[in-house]
Amino acid sequence: AAGVIQSPRHLIKEKRETATLKCYPIPRHDTVYWYQQGPGQDPQFLISFYEKMQSDKGSIPDRFSAQQFSDYHSELNMSSLELGDSALYFCASRRTAQETQYFGPGTRLLVL
Amino acid sequence: GQQVMQIPQYQHVQEGEDFTTYCNSSTTLSNIQWYKQRPGGHPVFLIQLVKSGEVKKQKRLTFQFGEAKKNSSLHITATQTTDVGTYFCAQETSGSRLTFGEGTQLTVNP
Repeated sequence: AAGVIQSPRHLIKEKRETATLKCYPIPRHDTVYWYQQGPGQDPQFLISFYEKMQSDKGSIPDRFSAQQFSDYHSELNMSSLELGDSALYFCASRRTAQETQYFGPGTRLLVL
Repeated sequence: GQQVMQIPQYQHVQEGEDFTTYCNSSTTLSNIQWYKQRPGGHPVFLIQLVKSGEVKKQKRLTFQFGEAKKNSSLHITATQTTDVGTYFCAQETSGSRLTFGEGTQLTVNP
């Protein structure tokens, strides 16, 4: 069965650089979620999109922005990267009215 | 802030022993979900509980939702090395975002 695809899987950046993370949801899933997971911590909700519109916003820094495109894939844009942005970034997708969010494999971002 | 508290943070067991993790909330939960995250992996949905006092079983895993819908537990009978990972409870809140507990990291010694 098709799963959520995230790219890249690993990313190394310098401080103050920018990064773009991509997420391709499961086909026919209309909602995408982004989560950030620091080392040894639980995932923290960043932002979500439903039918290409932002549907909810969590603790996402102003330096980050995201959008969902017409083909339902989503991108998380991160600027002025800081050391503390080093984390695992998960994308999850869901089909409306179903209970399950399916998580992608994550992008591991390391900021040096 | 964290709405759901989860204990213990770590649990080490011998293979064949039982394991339980608990989630507690000061407020009534509309639902509780459980996820498993293997080392280096991503959260994988296990189950959702919605009804007061609900008990669901998946093979060696038993999930309970408290009568007051303020607590939940996951019990694994006769752990196996394949059970290793971090178990998270999570609440789906407004906008369908997930708010996770801190997780319980389970290690199983063969």
